[in-house]
Amino acid sequence: NAGVTQTPKFRILKIGQSMTLQCTQDMNHNYMYWYRQDPGMGLKLIYYSVGAGITDKGEVPNGYNVSRSTTEDFPLRLELAAPSQTSVYFCASTARQGMENEQFFGPGTRLTVL
Amino acid sequence: KNQVEQSPQSLIILEGKNCTLQCNYTVSPFSNLRWYKQDTGRGPVSLTIMTFSENTKSNGRYTATLDADTKQSSLHITASQLSDSASYICVVAGGYQKVTFGTGTKLQVIP
Repeated sequence: NAGVTQTPKFRILKIGQSMTLQCTQDMNHNYMYWYRQDPGMGLKLIYYSVGAGITDKGEVPNGYNVSRSTTEDFPLRLELAAPSQTSVYFCASTARQGMENEQFFGPGTRLTVL
Repeated sequence: KNQVEQSPQSLIILEGKNCTLQCNYTVSPFSNLRWYKQDTGRGPVSLTIMTFSENTKSNGRYTATLDADTKQSSLHITASQLSDSASYICVVAGGYQKVTFGTGTKLQVIP
């Protein structure tokens, strides 16, 4: 199993550009999550999904959108990138329902918005 | 407001030495507490999990303790190795989908 994979690893965007961060897991997990990790801060939940076709907002959803058309994929879309979205983004999944269970994280995408 | 505070922010120790990382939380209600290890440029990986009734849990050279009365946890690393250099994140769950991440302690083990 590859676990949770994310692409790209690094990306530089200009203000106002858009992009999609890809996340795929091959563990057949229903629950998937998107976090951002800012320097000196704990991970913050952006969006999560409890299964294909079902998504919900987390703590910091503004400026982002998600979709979940399959169990495996959970892409995160940034529209009109802003410098405040410069961060490291992690995708995660859990075998059982709920973030309180062991989360399996991807390697992260480091995004810089200039 | 639910908070998880970790100390120290960063720590440098010599290879072979022991160290202890601290985690204080104000999360309520309490479901479980988990320690994650995050290598540089990688995602976090779970080390241990403890529920309310557990006060010690070991995973190799890592030993976590929990005092639910004082809302404190510690992670003790024995006989440190260079590969222990990483950030250690304390994560406290307050129920279904209610999880608070600490800011982490960055540990550097030097030869």
